[in-house]
Amino acid sequence: GAGVSQSPSNKVTEKGKDVELRCDPISGHTALYWYRQSLGQGLEFLIYFQGNSAPDKSGLPSDRFSAERTGGSVSTLTIQRTQQEDSAVYLCASSFSRGGPYEQYFGPGTRLTVT
Amino acid sequence: SQQGEEDPQALSIQEGENATMNCSYKTSINNLQWYRQNSGRGLVHLILIRSNEREKHSGRLRVTLDTSKKSSSLLITASRAADTASYFCATLIEQGGSEKLVFGKGTKLTVNP
Repeated sequence: GAGVSQSPSNKVTEKGKDVELRCDPISGHTALYWYRQSLGQGLEFLIYFQGNSAPDKSGLPSDRFSAERTGGSVSTLTIQRTQQEDSAVYLCASSFSRGGPYEQYFGPGTRLTVT
Repeated sequence: SQQGEEDPQALSIQEGENATMNCSYKTSINNLQWYRQNSGRGLVHLILIRSNEREKHSGRLRVTLDTSKKSSSLLITASRAADTASYFCATLIEQGGSEKLVFGKGTKLTVNP
């Protein structure tokens, strides 16, 4: 079956512009996660969705970052007024549910470069 | 913040040798997972070990977990050039209605043919 997909695969943007990253989780997966991977910080948790609600936004680095999930499926991560330090690979993952020993399935990531 | 710390940070071995990577963590966990990443893109889940398990096998992979020492190890036996990748341990943290994976910094494994 189809895995987690993300778009775009690469995004180059100018400092100060807004960007939107998209994640399509595996069908039927109720839990969705965003992570960020950068050279200096490794893999960092950003936000967790259970269905359409986000009980944990603690990892979002600043109020320039927001995310939503609609219909319990597709999620978008929006970064406003991008800064050079936002350059990273943004990874999305989904899993069947929470509360169990469920593995997370990762998408290929979006490589964001802010110039 | 990073919870897991892998060592070594980099490991280079010859094909056919075994590769051992270690991971330490700080807080109580539900389970610990190992992931593999090629070329800095998507992660692939390798194996999950629950907090009440001590050892688990999957093909050429063997994972151990010592909750008293808050450590885990991943052993890849009879390594192949195709095993070249970065390997990350991740602990599942559940708190306050949320759950998330907290990753270590990873071990970069190079298997020379």
